[in-house]
Amino acid sequence: QVQLEQSGAEVKKPGASVKISCKASGYTFGTYFLHWVRQAPGQGLEWMGKINPLSGSTSYPQWFQGRVTVTRDTSTSTVYMELSSLRSDDTAVYYCARERVEMAASNFFDYWGQGTLVTVSS
Amino acid sequence: DIQMTQSPSSLSAHVGDSVTITCRASQNIGKYLNWYQQKPGRAPKLLIYAAFSLQSGVPSRFSGSGSGTDFTLTISSLRPEDFATYYCQQSHSTTYTFGQGTKLEIK
Repeated sequence: QVQLEQSGAEVKKPGASVKISCKASGYTFGTYFLHWVRQAPGQGLEWMGKINPLSGSTSYPQWFQGRVTVTRDTSTSTVYMELSSLRSDDTAVYYCARERVEMAASNFFDYWGQGTLVTVSS
Repeated sequence: DIQMTQSPSSLSAHVGDSVTITCRASQNIGKYLNWYQQKPGRAPKLLIYAAFSLQSGVPSRFSGSGSGTDFTLTISSLRPEDFATYYCQQSHSTTYTFGQGTKLEIK
């Protein structure tokens, strides 16, 4: 069955960087884009970026440009999300999610990782 | 960027009631609208994709409608396990924005 297994919780100081992993299994890794979404405590969902595991091409929203980097390792079917220059408001649960394209006018996140809590505190 | 606005932000209802949550996009997104359910401490779960298509395994009491800029999620005959937070998401643009969420609570 499809699984996205994320790395464990992290505690970082302001200004540091964090790198989280998401290991995919149960399907052909290169077939589906993988995304990162975060959720601050008590807040909504915020899209952070995506990667094409086959080509390695990425896309990020403007508000994260320059601070987030998504990479992949095809040998281990793992994607990584690195967030730099951490601030206290980066404290959040970070999720990876698989994008599925069902038909010509439909794409959505059908599987999600369990989430990784990143706490930024001095 | 496309902004997604959900209403209401919170809602209380009884088991057995029917409820409707609305989602409005800041521009035409066709049917590129998905709905997710999230329970505390859990990852979001896909309910509806492409505005009205029910994800496999999701009960038929969940239904979606709309196109363009205005969408609705309807839950009929609420069950205790339906009390959660619901998010809409547009996938029309390459920036996959979510609504702010609607928290459904038991009355």
